[in-house]
Amino acid sequence: ETGVTQTPRHLVMGMTNKKSLKCEQHLGHNAMYWYKQSAKKPLELMFVYNFKEQTENNSVPSRFSPECPNSSHLFLHLHTLQPEDSALYLCASSQEFGRNEQFFGPGTRLTVL
Amino acid sequence: ELKVEQNPLFLSMQEGKNYTIYCNYSTTSDRLYWYRQDPGKSLESLFVLLSNGAVKQEGRLMASLDTKARLSTLHITAAVHDLSATYFCAVDPSGYALNFGKGTSLLVTP
Repeated sequence: ETGVTQTPRHLVMGMTNKKSLKCEQHLGHNAMYWYKQSAKKPLELMFVYNFKEQTENNSVPSRFSPECPNSSHLFLHLHTLQPEDSALYLCASSQEFGRNEQFFGPGTRLTVL
Repeated sequence: ELKVEQNPLFLSMQEGKNYTIYCNYSTTSDRLYWYRQDPGKSLESLFVLLSNGAVKQEGRLMASLDTKARLSTLHITAAVHDLSATYFCAVDPSGYALNFGKGTSLLVTP
């Protein structure tokens, strides 16, 4: 058990749906991250939050909208996604922003039809 | 653009054999991370290497870091089936983002 939980674990949605992914960390960390893992591609950093403030948006399309209401919770709101957005979405946290070991959640397997 | 290259990308090895996975990166970084991922599961941290010459060992796995050569190795000794997984290296030169290699898929066969 890593101390980082994600829900749902699996999600199937149509291109016109709106859904949200949730991440919660129980480690007392101050930084949280969203990554995308597609088949045959390296993990891609999407967003970074430090003390609830977004510090990095790695050129992610606006159909992905992150929200960090506090340092323990992170959401990824999804709308009008494309089939190529199907992937494993991983949440991670670290003690402090930058240069710290990151701990990953189990991921949400997203399929866009 | 930072590049993190792992090789091999696929590795099938017999139980009891030794092998090394290599991780090269293209820019200066004084720390490197190794993670393991089982199918359908998340990434599990294996090693954090924090300085040139760092060596860490856990069971049948040993990782090392040569920052001058921009190279890390993950050595597997006397492989067992339980080590079958995908292994990722990652570097963090800028201080805010882990940059991952593509991963090495390891299959240990009887």
